[in-house]
Order: sequence, then C-alpha cells, then structure tokens
Amino acid sequence: GQQLNQSPQSMFIQEGEDVSMNCTSSSIFNTWLWYKQDPGEGPVLLIALYKAGELTSNGRLTAQFGITRKDSFLNISASIPSDVGIYFCAGPPQGGSEKLVFGKGTKLTVNP
Amino acid sequence: GAVVSQHPSRVICKSGTSVKIECRSLDFQATTMFWYRQFPKQSLMLMATSNEGSKATYEQGVEKDKFLINHASLTLSTLTVTSAHPEDSSFYICSANNPGGRYYEQYFGPGTRLTVT
Repeated sequence: GQQLNQSPQSMFIQEGEDVSMNCTSSSIFNTWLWYKQDPGEGPVLLIALYKAGELTSNGRLTAQFGITRKDSFLNISASIPSDVGIYFCAGPPQGGSEKLVFGKGTKLTVNP
Repeated sequence: GAVVSQHPSRVICKSGTSVKIECRSLDFQATTMFWYRQFPKQSLMLMATSNEGSKATYEQGVEKDKFLINHASLTLSTLTVTSAHPEDSSFYICSANNPGGRYYEQYFGPGTRLTVT
C-alpha cells in the first residue's frame, strides 16, 4: 500500500529555534494533513493542504504541499515548550477512500 | 466545532472479559467514523471504518469477531473488544469526518487506554 515516510524520526531543539520536518511518498497524494499528538491524547489537526504548491500557515506553523504531490513540509518557527509532541503527516491513499494513511511521526523535544 | 469524545478514557479488565468503548461526535453528525489502534511509540494503525446503518469495513488482519463495531446513530460508534487478552492492551482512538468540513479531515477523540490483566 501507499506509505508515508517522515523525517527526522526525532528532534531535540532549544526553545526559540525554528523546526522543519518533512513527509515523502513514492506515490502521489492529493491531500496532505498534519497532526500533532500529545502524550496520552488523540491527534489534533494542525493544517490541511489540498493543492500542489499550496503554502498554509496556522500561527507559528507553516506547511507546504510539494509541487510533485509526493511530499509535504511542516515548519515551526520560534519553538516553545508546548510544541513538544509527535507530529504526524497523513493523506488519503489513491482509490477514492475516506481512509487516511499516517507517517510514523516526528517526535519533537524542546529544551527550555 | 468538530469535537469527538471517547468513553472511557482508561479501562482495566480481566483476561476473557469484554470491553465496550464509545465514540461520540458532539457537535456534528458523522456518517463515517474510524477506529485506530496505537502501540507505544508507534503510529496509528487503522482497524476499521464504521458507517452509520451498515456493517463496518475491517482492515486486513483485524479480526471482526473480536473487535465488534456498531455505528447505530449519526453521533455514536462503539468498539467492543470481546474475550480480551493481554495482547489487546493498547491505546484505541476513534475519529470522524466532519461533513461540514473538508472531505478528508478527520477529527480524533482523546483515546482510550485499555489494559488487560
């Protein structure tokens, strides 16, 4: 099936630094979603991207839908301690299903 | 908007018993809900797609007789883990599409931590 590869697997940064993570696939996706999961909680939708080349912001978060439709990037500017968590990319596999496939996540640790 | 709740948040049960987990969409009607399972430090694994008024669609490798799903109304889906065993211990999360929102955007509940002793 279609898979999403996220990198890096984990990041350790200092508060105030900018963060960049990405998600790639060997297949085309027509939608990219970015979620954040705090420990012991369900994922929360951060940003949804529907158009190749689209750049969308949500506060300090910015995500881009790659022009090839095979990748997406999430950037966090001026990180703060509450940015700690696991960030997942997700997208619907081809075939018209409402299902989502998820990447394995990027675990972010922010040192105060 | 698009709030999904789950109950209970944590449950401990004895091996061989059954456990029911509820998933509710609080401020919208959900014709489709999804059930995921997540092991520690791993990603979400889709177990099944629950459609209101019809049978659930299970992913390959998921035992439908063990994980019973009922989507009896537009705001409630339930997952029953039957004859639970310790290997069923996991974090179970449900989600729903918001028909008022964009098509693929799933909104997740807070999860249920199941521990089978």
